Amino acid sequence: AQSVTQLGSHVSVSEGALVLLRCNYSSSVPPYLFWYVQYPNQGLQLLLKYTSAATLVKGINGFEAEFKKSETSFHLTKPSAHMSDAAEYFCAVSPNQAGTALIFGKGTTLSVSS
Amino acid sequence: GAVVSQHPSWVICKSGTSVKIECRSLDFQATTMFWYRQFPKQSLMLMATSNEGSKATYEQGVEKDKFLINHASLTLSTLTVTSAHPEDSSFYICSARGGTGELFFGEGSRLTVL
Repeated sequence: AQSVTQLGSHVSVSEGALVLLRCNYSSSVPPYLFWYVQYPNQGLQLLLKYTSAATLVKGINGFEAEFKKSETSFHLTKPSAHMSDAAEYFCAVSPNQAGTALIFGKGTTLSVSS
Repeated sequence: GAVVSQHPSWVICKSGTSVKIECRSLDFQATTMFWYRQFPKQSLMLMATSNEGSKATYEQGVEKDKFLINHASLTLSTLTVTSAHPEDSSFYICSARGGTGELFFGEGSRLTVL
């Protein structure tokens, strides 16, 4: 069975500071990993995805994530936080790329202060 | 990018009534759609997988007679919450699988049962 664990339900950073949102996965097969962002009362927007092509994945809005098999991690980072980055972030895993239903982590709320 | 639309975005109903939520893929055909439920400040929990022209596959613990799913066309899946009760109040999100296998999420539908 696959699962993801997001460490820290709430992360607070100052505007301009580094953003680091942690995600560890558990999978018996090579995983496909995703990061989504959700703004209040809205659906999910895909930030980036890992599909085994490259371990460092660049996404939208300046976010990137690095797949580390040895650490079973897929942490999300952004060098400089912006106020508009405040949202809920979900890490998700899938056993394949073919659109199987995703298994989501519990989410991390990112707050950005000025 | 591909668009998935949910309707209604917000719905308030009385206890005991039934509510239908629609999920439409606006610019692509989706043979498979997924329905998720999200409680406040929590993650998305997969409820069921909806396949066009066949019965939905429900996750363990989800009452199929309570949450009726119909996927009558390649662009429309509906979730009907029957005899709704306050504990059914939640945010319901659908996702649709595009031709490349990528999943696209709707904006979500917030159900409040009084």
